[in-house]
Amino acid sequence: SAVISQKPSRDICQRGTSLTIQCQVDSQVTMMFWYRQQPGQSLTLIATANQGSEATYESGFVIDKFPISRPNLTFSTLTVSNMSPEDSSIYLCSVEVQRESEQYFGPGTRLTVT
Amino acid sequence: KNQVEQSPQSLIILEGKNCTLQCNYTVSPFSNLRWYKQDTGRGPVSLTIMTFSENTKSNGRYTATLDADTKQSSLHITASQLSDSASYICVVRGYSSASKIIFGSGTRLSIRP
Repeated sequence: SAVISQKPSRDICQRGTSLTIQCQVDSQVTMMFWYRQQPGQSLTLIATANQGSEATYESGFVIDKFPISRPNLTFSTLTVSNMSPEDSSIYLCSVEVQRESEQYFGPGTRLTVT
Repeated sequence: KNQVEQSPQSLIILEGKNCTLQCNYTVSPFSNLRWYKQDTGRGPVSLTIMTFSENTKSNGRYTATLDADTKQSSLHITASQLSDSASYICVVRGYSSASKIIFGSGTRLSIRP
């Protein structure tokens, strides 16, 4: 299994500012993912972050807006840049443990942009 | 059109009753189908995972079924408890390693005492 923690758990930010979300896993994993979940909606994949390589972004998401770091096999950060109210959402970190064919999710970071 | 459709969108039942949630998908071929439970303010937690060759899988009071021919899955909850109030998300993964994981929009289940 994998236990994931995220910081902060929630934040209220002003438009135009940036917020960096941290994701820490209790074991080494190759693949980490960042998702966004808007109110009442399902999860949408933002990007895949593999250690030692550039993150791979999904259609509609760009590195300038959502820069990601993956310095080692247990940690990643997602920055939401130049925020607008449309960025208000829950941001979730996830990892895949391939030997278990299982995907684990962090508790999420609830972001409100005013 | 979403490749994973869930119904109903929301459901309210009395504590102790059973219920069944539906998931229809068009992802093909697919590798596996999962059901997740997401409590309010939490990340999703896996309940079951089934490959295309499996028809049913149980996890306590949760039983998932899969019909790969009709591309339908269901999650049956027996003797519901207040703690079952949550969103239930159906997730389908395509067959190749490059395939995306497609999330359904979820069913919001509320258990009333």
